Amino acid sequence: GAVVSQHPSWVICKSGTSVKIECRSLDFQATTMFWYRQFPKQSLMLMATSNEGSKATYEQGVEKDKFLINHASLTLSTLTVTSAHPEDSSFYICSAGQVTNYGYTFGSGTRLTVV
Amino acid sequence: TQLLEQSPQFLSIQEGENLTVYCNSSSVFSSLQWYRQEPGEGPVLLVTVVTGGEVKKLKRLTFQFGDARKDSSLHITAAQPGDTGLYLCADRRVGGAQKLVFGQGTRLTINP
Repeated sequence: GAVVSQHPSWVICKSGTSVKIECRSLDFQATTMFWYRQFPKQSLMLMATSNEGSKATYEQGVEKDKFLINHASLTLSTLTVTSAHPEDSSFYICSAGQVTNYGYTFGSGTRLTVV
Repeated sequence: TQLLEQSPQFLSIQEGENLTVYCNSSSVFSSLQWYRQEPGEGPVLLVTVVTGGEVKKLKRLTFQFGDARKDSSLHITAAQPGDTGLYLCADRRVGGAQKLVFGQGTRLTINP
């Protein structure tokens, strides 16, 4: 089955620094990946759609200059949180999938804590 | 903008009891999916339903899709502690990137 690997699982960084999160599809190619953000006890909020070889599509209200997305290959998308602040602390999850009747496969998430 | 409402938001019951959670959409679903998410993990797909009136079973879980394709329910029989988690309904929109729109979830706790 489709496997999506996300790394790191958790990261602590200082305010003002940048953090990169990787999302890899291990056994399939993904032209499209999605990045979500989840606050405690809340649902997933779509941040952006990552498109291989082209610019990401951001949801309304998401700062594209703060959340940089790069999808340079068919198996890897990265999310970089730039100049992180404590309010960026959250659980970030990626997903990818092939266009079938089956759902997308999600990564295991990255817990980001900005101190 | 489509809104997915799930109810109840929180549910805590004893092991062995039955329960039902609901998902209602402000517009017709393109493709309804149910996911379960455990703490610190990404969501895992449970089922996809497409046809109005469709019923699918997954062991002790029964999923129903409303005839009008605007609502769905998830029924769990004889709940077990392993069923604990966040249950999310989602609509997989057609066209374009086929984004998922999630409901706010039902947080279920099964007490031993």
